[in-house]
Formats: sequence, C-alpha cells, structure tokens
Amino acid sequence: ETGVTQSPTHLIKTRGQQVTLRCSSQSGHNTVSWYQQALGQGPQFIFQYYREEENGRGNFPPRFSGLQFPNYSSELNVNALELDDSALYLCASSLGRETNYGYTFGSGTRLTVV
Amino acid sequence: GESVGLHLPTLSVQEGDNSIINCAYSNSASDYFIWYKQESGKGPQFIIDIRSNMDKRQGQRVTVLLNKTVKHLSLQIAATQPGDSAVYFCAEKNYGQNFVFGPGTRLSVLP
Repeated sequence: ETGVTQSPTHLIKTRGQQVTLRCSSQSGHNTVSWYQQALGQGPQFIFQYYREEENGRGNFPPRFSGLQFPNYSSELNVNALELDDSALYLCASSLGRETNYGYTFGSGTRLTVV
Repeated sequence: GESVGLHLPTLSVQEGDNSIINCAYSNSASDYFIWYKQESGKGPQFIIDIRSNMDKRQGQRVTVLLNKTVKHLSLQIAATQPGDSAVYFCAEKNYGQNFVFGPGTRLSVLP
C-alpha cells in the first residue's frame, strides 16, 4: 500500500506566474483535501475533492483551483502567484468525506514565490 | 470563523520526562479531534484521535484528554524520547466540515 505522494517537492516561481501541484492519493482513498501551511503556522484548508467534484472550500480566492481525476489523483492550480502564496502545500487523502480516521498527508510541495 | 489554538508555542522537556501539550478549541459543535506530529520536511502524521463522547483515550505512550466543559484538549507523551521532537498540532472537526488546525507547539527533547 502506497501513501500520499506529491510532486514536485520544491518549486520556485515568479510573481504573476501560474503553478500546478500534483498529488496521488493513498490506495483506496477517494477524497483529497489540499492545505496551505505558511512557515510557523498550522495548515489552512483550501478545498476538498470527492469523486471528482469540489466538496467544500476554505477562505481562498478563485485563483486557487483544483481537479480530481478518475483515479482520485488531484491537482492544485494557482494563478497570478503572489509573494504571500509562498508556503508548504499539503495534500491529504481519506476514504470518504466524513472519515473516521483522519487524513493521510503527503510530505508537501514547498512553493517559493519571488 | 472557528479556530483551534494552542497555549504554548514551544515546549522543552528532558529526555525520559513526560510531556503535556495543550490545545484550546472554540467550536463547541466539534465532535472529532486529532493530534498530528510534523517533523521537519514532512507532512503531518496522525498520532491519536478522540471523539466528543469520550474524555480520555490512550495509545502507545500517548494519551489524549478532552474537556468539553472548557473546550480543552491535551496530549500527554510518556517517557519522552529524542524522536518525539517535532511540531504537534491539534485539529478539530465537526460533521460536514473540514479539519481546522491550531498553530502548533514545537516540542524539543533535551538530552
């Protein structure tokens, strides 16, 4: 059984550019949640995907968007990058929207916007 | 919105001592709580969870206590080891919502 894998591990982008982050969920999990973790802070919920549809969204602007594919892998897209978007982006998978066992997190993608 | 917070941002303990990490939550409707451990360069790792119909749950060397009256959660680590050094987050959830994380406590284990 594989865990959650994210790519790339590190990324440097210029302000105004667009970025796509990828996540492969744990085997058997059909729900993916994305979190943003700024340095020294706890993860902040961006959105969740369940069976290819967005199922809940946190307080993030529309330039943060996502996709989930039939194999339950997912992408996070951020347009018009801003300096404050620099953070660790975490993907977490679970079985179902109302998991009884919490989420399994990947190691994250460290995004730096310069 | 509702948020989860922590009383202490850092905690240093001697190896072999017991550690207690505290967390205050504000949403009285939350019914599920998890403690996560995050080591440098890694994602959060599940440690232990507790539901609102319980006030105590024990795992291997860890115990979570839930006091719903004062909306307080704590994580106790027995015989703290160097490998326990990490940032610990509490997270709360209520039905239909997503997990809300606190800002974290950094635990440092001194030799």
